[in-house]
Amino acid sequence: AQSVTQLGSHVSVSEGALVLLRCNYSSSVPPYLFWYVQYPNQGLQLLLKYTSAATLVKGINGFEAEFKKSETSFHLTKPSAHMSDAAEYFCAVTPNTGGFKTIFGAGTRLFVKA
Amino acid sequence: ETGVTQSPTHLIKTRGQQVTLRCSSQSGHNTVSWYQQALGQGPQFIFQYYREEENGRGNFPPRFSGLQFPNYSSELNVNALELDDSALYLCASSSKREASTDTQYFGPGTRLTVL
Repeated sequence: AQSVTQLGSHVSVSEGALVLLRCNYSSSVPPYLFWYVQYPNQGLQLLLKYTSAATLVKGINGFEAEFKKSETSFHLTKPSAHMSDAAEYFCAVTPNTGGFKTIFGAGTRLFVKA
Repeated sequence: ETGVTQSPTHLIKTRGQQVTLRCSSQSGHNTVSWYQQALGQGPQFIFQYYREEENGRGNFPPRFSGLQFPNYSSELNVNALELDDSALYLCASSSKREASTDTQYFGPGTRLTVL
């Protein structure tokens, strides 16, 4: 069965610092991987997705993620944090065997300090 | 292009009651998925509808049911409400049956509180 683990329920960085949000997946075959952002009282917005093309995926708002099969990881990074990045971030997987069910991690709350 | 909309925004019910939540999918999308997001947790897949038929279901009891209409809008019905049903219910639409790679567009959600 597939699963997603996000390390750290809360991450705090200073404005301008590197953002690193960790995500590891468990799957017998590499799934499709996603990062979503959720601002307070809003739905989820797709940041980026990996669909077995390039392993380094660039998304919106300066975020990117690298798929590492050997580490079963898909960590999200941004070189320089902005106050507006403060939000909840979710890593998610869906099977690449024609499935439909998206499995989300528990989320990581990002705090950005001035 | 109209995005995904959900109604109502907030809802308060008591245990044992029934509730219906509504979702209008994004223009051109024929697939709708419903998720339950409890406080402090990630969304949990409830079920998906494709062209008015249930296309898959997560680990939710039968008292969670749904419908999709010819215009691809959808309803989520929950019978015999329990306290643990209190959550944010999210609807997401996409344009393919197998949404593995297709982007899901999420609505703002309906916050359900069961007292």
